[in-house]
Amino acid sequence: GNSVTQMEGPVTLSEEAFLTINCTYTATGYPSLFWYVQYPGEGLQLLLKATKADDKGSNKGFEATYRKETTSFHLEKGSVQVSDSAVYFCALTPGGGSTLGRLYFGRGTQLTVWP
Amino acid sequence: EAQVTQNPRYLITVTGKKLTVTCSQNMNHEYMSWYRQDPGLGLRQIYYSMNVEVTDKGDVPEGYKVSRKEKRNFPLILESPSPNQTSLYFCASRGQREGYEQYFGPGTRLTVT
Repeated sequence: GNSVTQMEGPVTLSEEAFLTINCTYTATGYPSLFWYVQYPGEGLQLLLKATKADDKGSNKGFEATYRKETTSFHLEKGSVQVSDSAVYFCALTPGGGSTLGRLYFGRGTQLTVWP
Repeated sequence: EAQVTQNPRYLITVTGKKLTVTCSQNMNHEYMSWYRQDPGLGLRQIYYSMNVEVTDKGDVPEGYKVSRKEKRNFPLILESPSPNQTSLYFCASRGQREGYEQYFGPGTRLTVT
């Protein structure tokens, strides 16, 4: 089946600290992988994506690399800011066919950054 | 502006009183979906649609209905709401090409008493 397991929070960091949020997946076929971010009181926004193995998605200083051998898509940022405080969701769309309409989410990781 | 809109944003209702949450997108997207978000469970897909008149169940379809009569609209219907359907609901849409991101609406917070 298809599922996403991500590191549960909450994660609390000081400003300028290094961030890693782990995400692993199981999927049929060749999935596309995503990180979404949800700021307080808002909907979800796409943060970055990767559609095939070894692709690196990046945006706003965040990066994640699609690792097929370890079925992982860990989110990293070298220096977090207070404005990065949010809930982060790892997600996948299975590859091909009738499953293209599906999107599977992890449970989310709450990140709080203190000044 | 490209967007997904949902109405209402907030709704408090009583058990058994039928309700509809509307969703509309202006991007001519083929795919549309409904999700519910619950603490500790993340987002779970309720129903999705791949095009007009084509819908399918997600992971938690019980107690919900959908229809897709027009490409831009995808309403979520709760025929007899129950307290366990109290949740935050999101509508989303995406284009047909694989890897396209989903665009999410602002959410509807539903409370069923």
